[in-house]
Amino acid sequence: EVQLVESGGGLVQPGRSLKLSCAASGFTFSNYYMAWVRQAPKKGLEWVATISTSGSRTYYPDSVKGRFTISRDNAKSSLYLQMNSLKSEDTATYYCARQGHRYWFAYWGQGTLVTVSS
Amino acid sequence: DIQMTQSPSSLPASLGERVTISCRASQGISNNLNWYQQKPDGTIKPLIYYTSNLQSGVPSRFSGSGSGTDYSLTISSLEPEDFAMYYCQQDASFPPTFGGGTKLELK
Repeated sequence: EVQLVESGGGLVQPGRSLKLSCAASGFTFSNYYMAWVRQAPKKGLEWVATISTSGSRTYYPDSVKGRFTISRDNAKSSLYLQMNSLKSEDTATYYCARQGHRYWFAYWGQGTLVTVSS
Repeated sequence: DIQMTQSPSSLPASLGERVTISCRASQGISNNLNWYQQKPDGTIKPLIYYTSNLQSGVPSRFSGSGSGTDYSLTISSLEPEDFAMYYCQQDASFPPTFGGGTKLELK
């Protein structure tokens, strides 16, 4: 059974940094592109980042490019999201997802809440 | 970016009823349209990919159709567990974008 478990969320001040983790199990992690998708409170879903199987290619929307960095450790079956220069609008639940064909998010974790506030 | 517009935003319905949720893209997306269900506890379940392909384990009462810019998700006979939020998402063009969601609620 595919399992994705996020951790690392919490309350952080504007301008500070936070690193999220996602522990994957139940599949060969190194074979799949992985992604982060977020959802602000009472809002819709927004794709945040994608990383290739080896980690050599990463993709971001303009809203987080230059501030967020996605990475992975295939030996540990783990995905990460380093978030710097956080803003109040980054407040959201962050979901880890396994990608299928193109940007089809075929499996999702339960999410971890990040609150950016002073 | 391609804008995805869902309608209605809220859909009251009864058990056993057949319902359809619509999703319109701001430009053609060549069937690269996916659907997700989100429960009140935040759990997200992928339902359909590439317009009409059911994810493994998704009940056959769910179906998807469409082409060009207009797509739809149909539930043939509502079960209690179907009352949730539904989101469409396009992956035809970078960046992938989601619709604003449709809340399917018990009438």
